[in-house]
Amino acid sequence: AQTVTQSQPEMSVQEAETVTLSCTYDTSESNYYLFWYKQPPSRQMILVIRQEAYKQQNATENRFSVNFQKAAKSFSLKISDSQLGDTAMYFCAFMSAQGGSEKLVFGKGTKLTVNP
Amino acid sequence: NAGVTQTPKFQVLKTGQSMTLQCAQDMNHEYMSWYRQDPGMGLRLIHYSVGAGITDQGEVPNGYNVSRSTTEDFPLRLLSAAPSQTSVYFCASSYSKTGGNTEAFFGQGTRLTVV
Repeated sequence: AQTVTQSQPEMSVQEAETVTLSCTYDTSESNYYLFWYKQPPSRQMILVIRQEAYKQQNATENRFSVNFQKAAKSFSLKISDSQLGDTAMYFCAFMSAQGGSEKLVFGKGTKLTVNP
Repeated sequence: NAGVTQTPKFQVLKTGQSMTLQCAQDMNHEYMSWYRQDPGMGLRLIHYSVGAGITDQGEVPNGYNVSRSTTEDFPLRLLSAAPSQTSVYFCASSYSKTGGNTEAFFGQGTRLTVV
């Protein structure tokens, strides 16, 4: 079974600075997807960024980028120029690429606070 | 664009009562699932469905029942509520994987309290 570990329960950063959230995972599969989801106080789950394991290039979405290290099974999220609206819970998630399996396995989350 | 709609948003139940959490999606997605979110635990899969008439258990299925009679709807039933089922529940839907463009869309969640 796959597992996802987020080792930082809480983090804080000053507005406009850069912060990196850590995520490691365990799987025996070679092809899969990795995600970062943001959950603001509104409770809505919002997809931040997605990475396909077969792609070597790290995914980026505006101020959000990942450092995907497949051999190390590491998938960290970097937030640049942090904004107050980035304050939220962030969840790392894994999905197998095997046919018919779209189950997400989540980490326990990192609570990020952006301070003015 | 409605996306994934969950009702109700909040609910308080007494121990032993039953209820159904509703989930509907209008994106013609094949795959639908239910998760529960507990403090410090992340989201855990309760049940899922890969299409109408097909359901299967996830990581924490005990105490919950599901059915999928249509592509659009995937209700979650609590047959006899227990305090341990106090949680926030999320419904999600996504395409079956084709071409690697996979994304799960989530409903807004239901905060359930069992007293």
